Parts: sequence; C-alpha cells; structure tokens
Amino acid sequence: EVQLLESGGGLVQPGGSLRLSCAASGFTFSGYTMSWVRQAPGKGLEWVSTITVSGARTYYADSVKGRFTISRDDSKSTLYLQMNSLRAEDTALYYCAKVVVTIREGFDYWGQGTLVTVSS
Amino acid sequence: DVVMTQSPLSLPVTLGQPASITCRSSQSLVFRDGNTYLNWFQQRPGQSPRRLIYKVSNRDSGVPDRFSGSGSGTDFTLKISSVEAEDVGVYYCMEGKNWPPITFGQGTRLEIK
Repeated sequence: EVQLLESGGGLVQPGGSLRLSCAASGFTFSGYTMSWVRQAPGKGLEWVSTITVSGARTYYADSVKGRFTISRDDSKSTLYLQMNSLRAEDTALYYCAKVVVTIREGFDYWGQGTLVTVSS
Repeated sequence: DVVMTQSPLSLPVTLGQPASITCRSSQSLVFRDGNTYLNWFQQRPGQSPRRLIYKVSNRDSGVPDRFSGSGSGTDFTLKISSVEAEDVGVYYCMEGKNWPPITFGQGTRLEIK
C-alpha cells in the first residue's frame, strides 16, 4: 500500500524557515517524480514544486521560486521542501504527491498534508 | 500562464440526480503528442485530493462508472450520472499540457440539496 507521510509543519514567524519532509513507502520511490502541492485555508489547490527522478530537474511555482528548495533522498525514500523567507501567504496545508508517470497526467497518491502557519 | 475556469463554483444537487461541472481553458490543452492533458480530482471534506479522470475521459481504477469526463480543445465536462452522498466535496480540473507549471481550476463545491 502506497503511503506518503508529511511532517515538519508548524507555526513560524514571517521571514522564518521550515523544512518539510515526506516519508514514502509502498512503492519504488526512486523511480518516480514527486511534487508538493499546497492548499491555503478554505482555498483551492496550488502546485508548488516538483523534482524528477534522481533529482535531475527541479521546478518551482513563481510564487516560491528563490525561496523554496525541493530535494529528495532516495536512500531514505524521503522528499523534502526547504522553505525560507516565509510569508503570510505561504500559510497552507502542504501535500506531498506522487506523480503518476508523467506529471501531465497529475498525481495518483497524496499524503494527508502538514500545516504551515506563517504569523507573528 | 494558462487560466482554468470552472463553473459553477457551487453546485447543489438532489440525491439521485445528475450533476455537471464545466472547465474551460484559456488555450488548447492538446499537446504535441496528440494527447489532451486535462484531469479531474475530487476532494471530499477533510480528505486529500484523489484523481478521478485523466486525459479528459479515462477513469481511474476504483472510480465508479457514474463519473465520466468529456470535452476537447478548451472545453471540458465532468458528469455524475446519479449523485450519491459520498460525492459531496470539491472537484478540481487540472491541466498538464503547459507544464511547467501545473494549473488547477478554482474548484467546484458539490453539495446535497
């Protein structure tokens, strides 16, 4: 059974940093592109970042480019999102999501999310 | 970037009645490989999203056949032939043709009348 378990969320002040983790199991993690998608409270889904197999390529939404860094540790089957210079508008539930085969077809498995709150 | 516009944003439906959600793209979603990368996701209250339909009309494994997707080019529709209580939630279209980025529609909230 595929499982994605996010952690690392919490309350942080504007300008602060957080590192999210997503522990994957039930599939060959190293063989799949992975993404982060977020959802602000009461709002819709927003793609944040994607990392391809072996970390060969990374992609970011314009809203987080230069502030967030996605990475992966295939030996630990874990996806990360380093978030720096956090802003109030980054407040959201952050989902880890497994890309199907091509990201053009979306995501077939999602974690339960970890909540990030940016507030003073 | 492409803009995905869903309508309606709120959809009250009587149990057993059909429901239809429209998603319009600001540009064609036909990719150079001939595929149209328009997908639909369901998010039930308090749950993570779940993919229902990929490439316009392909149902995911385990998705009831009351769900169907159709459309072409820039106009797409998700239909539920007979709404059940478990269908309550928010439905999102997502386009992948213009990756990167990935763009979702605003969401349509389906509720039972």
